Amino acid sequence: AQSVSQHNHHVILSEAASLELGCNYSYGGTVNLFWYVQYPGQHLQLLLKYFSGDPLVKGIKGFEAEFIKSKFSFNLRKPSVQWSDTAEYFCAVNAQIYNQGGKLIFGQGTELSVKP
Amino acid sequence: EPEVTQTPSHQVTQMGQEVILRCVPISNHLYFYWYRQILGQKVEFLVSFYNNEISEKSEIFDDQFSVERPDGSNFTLKIRSTKLEDSAMYFCASSIGGRLLGGYTFGSGTRLTVV
Repeated sequence: AQSVSQHNHHVILSEAASLELGCNYSYGGTVNLFWYVQYPGQHLQLLLKYFSGDPLVKGIKGFEAEFIKSKFSFNLRKPSVQWSDTAEYFCAVNAQIYNQGGKLIFGQGTELSVKP
Repeated sequence: EPEVTQTPSHQVTQMGQEVILRCVPISNHLYFYWYRQILGQKVEFLVSFYNNEISEKSEIFDDQFSVERPDGSNFTLKIRSTKLEDSAMYFCASSIGGRLLGGYTFGSGTRLTVV
C-alpha cells in the first residue's frame, strides 16, 4: 500500500531562517507529488506539484521542492521563511495506477511555527 | 479563479442523525473526491467519483456513507447515522483529469461536530 511519511511533526524557526521539510513515500511505480499548505482555519492550498520533467519544481510564495527518485523523497524548501509562513504543510502522493480514481495519499503534516 | 464551494461551513448534529454535506465542484472538472481530517490528524481519502459512480473508496467509507451527484452540479456526502467519531473537517475536491493530470482543487471544508 502507498504511504507518505513526513518526519518532522513540528518545526520552529526564526524569520529569515532556511526551511527544509522532509517527505518520503513508498510506492514503486510512477507518482505525482504535491505539497499543500493549510493556514490556521483555512482549507488546503496547493504550493507546488511534480508530474514529470525537471525534478526541481518551484511553487508559490518562494517554495520549491526536489524529487529524488532514488530516495523516494520530495522535500520542501524555502531559503528564508517569514512569519506568514506559519501553517501546516502536507506532502501528498498520487500513484498513477490505471483505473483508479486518482486519490491523494497525505502525510501526517508538519506544523511550521515562524517566530518574528 | 474557479473555486470548489462547500456548504455549510460548520454543522453540529446529534449522534444518530443523518447529515448531508454539499459541494459544488468546478464546472468542467470530471473527478470528485471527499476527504476528511479529524482534528490533529492527517487528511484521509474517503471516496472518489467519476462518470456518476464511485471509482474508489477507502475502508473508512462504509455503509453509513454515500455520495451522489443529483443534478450535475452538486456533489453530496451523506452520513446516515452519525457517530461521535465522525466529527471532523470534511473536504471536497475536484480534478479535471484525475490521476494523470492532477490539479486537485479543494473546497474550504465543512466542520462536522457530532454531539
